[in-house]
Formats: sequence, C-alpha cells, structure tokens
Amino acid sequence: GAVVSQHPSRVICKSGTSVKIECRSLDFQATTMFWYRQFPKQSLMLMATSNEGSKATYEQGVEKDKFLINHASLTLSTLTVTSAHPEDSSFYICSARTGGDTQYFGPGTRLTVL
Amino acid sequence: AQSVTQLGSHVSVSEGALVLLRCNYSSSVPPYLFWYVQYPNQGLQLLLKYTSAATLVKGINGFEAEFKKSETSFHLTKPSAHMSDAAEYFCAVSVDTGRRALTFGSGTRLQVQP
Repeated sequence: GAVVSQHPSRVICKSGTSVKIECRSLDFQATTMFWYRQFPKQSLMLMATSNEGSKATYEQGVEKDKFLINHASLTLSTLTVTSAHPEDSSFYICSARTGGDTQYFGPGTRLTVL
Repeated sequence: AQSVTQLGSHVSVSEGALVLLRCNYSSSVPPYLFWYVQYPNQGLQLLLKYTSAATLVKGINGFEAEFKKSETSFHLTKPSAHMSDAAEYFCAVSVDTGRRALTFGSGTRLQVQP
C-alpha cells in the first residue's frame, strides 16, 4: 500500500518550453502533497506544499509563477515548470501524506532543459 | 524551526560489519524523526520512523534507530551490512503542527565493500 507514482520519469525539453509533471497517490487519498527538488549529490529541498482544492504554499525563494502547482483531486497533484531554463534541470520528487505523520515518496522525475 | 545534521557524507563499511549512520536534530517541540533510503535515480523509501512511542524503532531490511532525547540524536544502525545496503540515506524531522513538512539532512552515502 501507499504507492505514489510520478509521470514522466524523465523529460528533456528545450529552453523556454513548459513541462508538466504528475504525481498520483495510487491506493490512498492524499490530503497533502509535497514537491521537492534535488540537485546532484545533494539533499531534498522542499519547494511547496499543496492541499486539494486550495492554493499551494511555496517555500521562500521558490517562484510561484515559474513552478505552478495544481492539486486537482485527492489523488493528483501537478507541477508545471514554465519557461524552463537549463538551471531548472534537476530531479523533482513528490510525496503524499494521508493525514498521518508519514510521507510516501514518488520515484522522481529527471528534468533536463537544453 | 527544526533542523537535522548528518555527520559524515560518506561511510564505508565491509560486508558483514556494523553500520552506523549518525543523525542529530534540533527542534523546539517534540519531533517526529524518519530515516529514508534512496537508490540511484529513485525516490525515497521509508526505513523507519519515530513518533513518540518506543524510543528504539525497528525498520525494514534489518535497520533500527534509537531516539535519545538527551543527546538529540536518532542514529541508524544495522548489525551486519549487506552489499544491497549501498545507497544514500537521509534523516528527516517534522513536527506535529501545521503542514508537517519534512526537513532533511544532507544525506550519507553508504558504501559496502566486499
């Protein structure tokens, strides 16, 4: 149980284009979903927290207009990287929480912006 | 605010030897503590968690951790390392208020030598 999926697993795009990453909780309803960013050989940095039906809460320094988060249902959250640039290349990981204390993580999405 | 410090970015042990990965935390309120493992290009898998119940927590794959409030520590141990334990390990802390977002340590890469 408690499986979280992400799609796509890898994406390569040209600079200036937008990329959407989906995060789904497959066998539970997620009251809260989190989006993290991980640079090579570094730890995870929280980008934003989203709750179904409400606006996401962004961490300090994260551009809301660049990283659009939509939590459309209790099983789906999306992260859209708008007008992507090479510096946005990273490993993006989502997690979902049911209401308890444990977050379940997706397998991550490797974004490469050329 | 809470924080986590993982001492040692790299730890190398021989197969069959004791594994000890160190984690110290800082929190103004009672913390929840977690250990996650990450294999290359994958998301995070929960190894174990402490949520104010028993101070000695047993997790998957033979790992365990002991919460020591006096030392603000939550070190991860395994009596006998296996080659498959080679991975990146993250200690994380959250609190039982608000978003319950996780704050991660910088990670420790465990190498297991044959």
